[in-house]
Amino acid sequence: GENVEQHPSTLSVQEGDSAVIKCTYSDSASNYFPWYKQELGKGPQLIIDIRSNVGEKKDQRIAVTLNKTAKHFSLHITETQPEDSAVYFCAEKTGANNLFFGTGTRLTVIP
Amino acid sequence: DSGVTQTPKHLITATGQRVTLRCSPRSGDLSVYWYQQSLDQGLQFLIQYYNGEERAKGNILERFSAQQFPDLHSELNLSSLELGDSALYFCASSVAGTSYGYTFGSGTRLTVV
Repeated sequence: GENVEQHPSTLSVQEGDSAVIKCTYSDSASNYFPWYKQELGKGPQLIIDIRSNVGEKKDQRIAVTLNKTAKHFSLHITETQPEDSAVYFCAEKTGANNLFFGTGTRLTVIP
Repeated sequence: DSGVTQTPKHLITATGQRVTLRCSPRSGDLSVYWYQQSLDQGLQFLIQYYNGEERAKGNILERFSAQQFPDLHSELNLSSLELGDSALYFCASSVAGTSYGYTFGSGTRLTVV
């Protein structure tokens, strides 16, 4: 349950376009999947999360989808803006009640 | 300001030395988690404390130790430091023993020279 794969490692999009980051996990007991945004020189900040009893969750321009059967979840950012540029981490909560993180995606939004 | 306070923000020390990193959790949070983030790497879970007791261990080296005090602040002790220990060390806190609602501090950047 401590293996979260995250793709891509880097992503560049034009301002206004959409960005999608995908993560896969292996522990079928995992039931909580948060996404964090880390700006330069700062700690990670929770931006959205989803629990295993829900397939999709939206918060303005950000959405997360979960496919429990395939064991993958994705972050979708629409109408990207330069301030969305950051490193994004997915994570899963295992049965041990700890969060294990993916390796991160560096998103660059080109004005 | 996330409410989680980490000190110091920066630390430069020599190989073989020992340092202590401090974390004050957000008011009301009982759990403290320590993570290590090396250059261009993800967040590696080190250890968790809940209300003063160790709850879980991750990939924490034997040279590293931690504790949580009665006032709920936590300290991470790193000894016999090596160049490879240079990293960002983050503390996070949450309300209960679960990991819902992790809040991270701004980290301590440790440089071992």
